[in-house]
Amino acid sequence: QSVLTQPPSASGTPGQRVTISCSGSSSNIGGNTVHWYQHLPGSAPKLLIYSNNVRPSGVPDRFSGSKSDTSASLAISGLQSEDEADYYCAAWDDSLNGVVFGGGTKLTVL
Amino acid sequence: QVQLQQSGPGLVKPSQTLSLTCAISGDSVSSNSATWHWIRQSPSRGLEWLGRTYFRFHWYNDYAVSVKSRVTINPETSKNRFSLQLKSVTPEDTAMYFCARISQGTDGTNAFDIWGQGTVVTVSS
Repeated sequence: QSVLTQPPSASGTPGQRVTISCSGSSSNIGGNTVHWYQHLPGSAPKLLIYSNNVRPSGVPDRFSGSKSDTSASLAISGLQSEDEADYYCAAWDDSLNGVVFGGGTKLTVL
Repeated sequence: QVQLQQSGPGLVKPSQTLSLTCAISGDSVSSNSATWHWIRQSPSRGLEWLGRTYFRFHWYNDYAVSVKSRVTINPETSKNRFSLQLKSVTPEDTAMYFCARISQGTDGTNAFDIWGQGTVVTVSS
């Protein structure tokens, strides 16, 4: 049972826009910034969004993040087959004094 | 650029200690604007943070509640690396283990921006 809650799966067709939600509490998302990672099995996760809505250099602007109160969302527009991966949200948790992750969302491009 | 290179055995027997090392290039384990972490990933549990070490005039560690009684993360300043030790392993500790950096300060992301290549560790007799 992960501290942050994500839907286990999401899907879309090429060109579509999909969103992935991440729900937490006041001790994590409510008081700290949210980060998003893209993970392809067998490789290291890749930082996709940090500080709620900032894209690292090299991440396409098709990816965007937002946060409101104790929830956050990752949006992917213009879906491409290469976006098929697992996506995780993460935040610092003040009560646990550690980093907490969502359970991950497997994105399928139909 | 900053790189993390992991090393350590891929097979550990139940009840023994899992030991991994993460060598840092392009940054310093003693940096005042970075923290150094271990994370694992398994199909059943997804990504799980294990703990961190960092230097702010003194060395500090924080560990995940789930492994706190069994885990130690140590810096090795002379070799610019840090290590993970997980005692009394069981098959549930089978996972892919990653080291990672969080960069802080005005130019930092406060997120895991650099990752090691990952080490598949299987706990089995």
